Amino acid sequence: GENVEQHPSTLSVQEGDSAVIKCTYSDSASNYFPWYKQELGKRPQLIIDIRSNVGEKKDQRIAVTLNKTAKHFSLHITETQPEDSAVYFCAPYSGGGADGLTFGKGTHLIIQP
Amino acid sequence: ETGVTQSPTHLIKTRGQQVTLRCSSQSGHNTVSWYQQALGQGPQFIFQYYREEENGRGNFPPRFSGLQFPNYSSELNVNALELDDSALYLCASSLGYSANYGYTFGSGTRLTVV
Repeated sequence: GENVEQHPSTLSVQEGDSAVIKCTYSDSASNYFPWYKQELGKRPQLIIDIRSNVGEKKDQRIAVTLNKTAKHFSLHITETQPEDSAVYFCAPYSGGGADGLTFGKGTHLIIQP
Repeated sequence: ETGVTQSPTHLIKTRGQQVTLRCSSQSGHNTVSWYQQALGQGPQFIFQYYREEENGRGNFPPRFSGLQFPNYSSELNVNALELDDSALYLCASSLGYSANYGYTFGSGTRLTVV
């Protein structure tokens, strides 16, 4: 099965600064790389995803970059705001059929005012 | 467009009892997956239902079972509850049976086993 690690486990940044969370995975067949955001007491929400034929994808203040050779992908958040405070999960996926996602343990992002 | 709804929101059960959790999928979504999220952890895949059949399962024992109905809603049943079953149970719906379609999660059912 897929081994997934996220770093750091906790990240504290000043409001307005950038944040980067890294996810490493073990399965070289992984071809779909989503990031989910979960605010305290709320449901996980898909915020951005990338497929293996693309190296980078951007959506306003968030971006995801993929390095398939090194088997890692990263979430980048620029101009951080208080509402970015949440736990972020990566969930690389290699199954072509009915396998579920393997989530990392999460990164707790804290935005300091 | 309606989202994914789960019921109940909270539940307290005694060890050894049985529990049924319910999920209504997002309009237009035909696949429902269930995840268990322990405190401070990422969600763990339990199983998935597509066309009313279980077509994928994670590392969970047979006392975890489910159903999907013709309207794509789903149930998760857990028999012989154990203390370690205490967790947030999340239902996710998607357009197809592959997870790379992207999930829409419900708000979850918080199960406490005492």
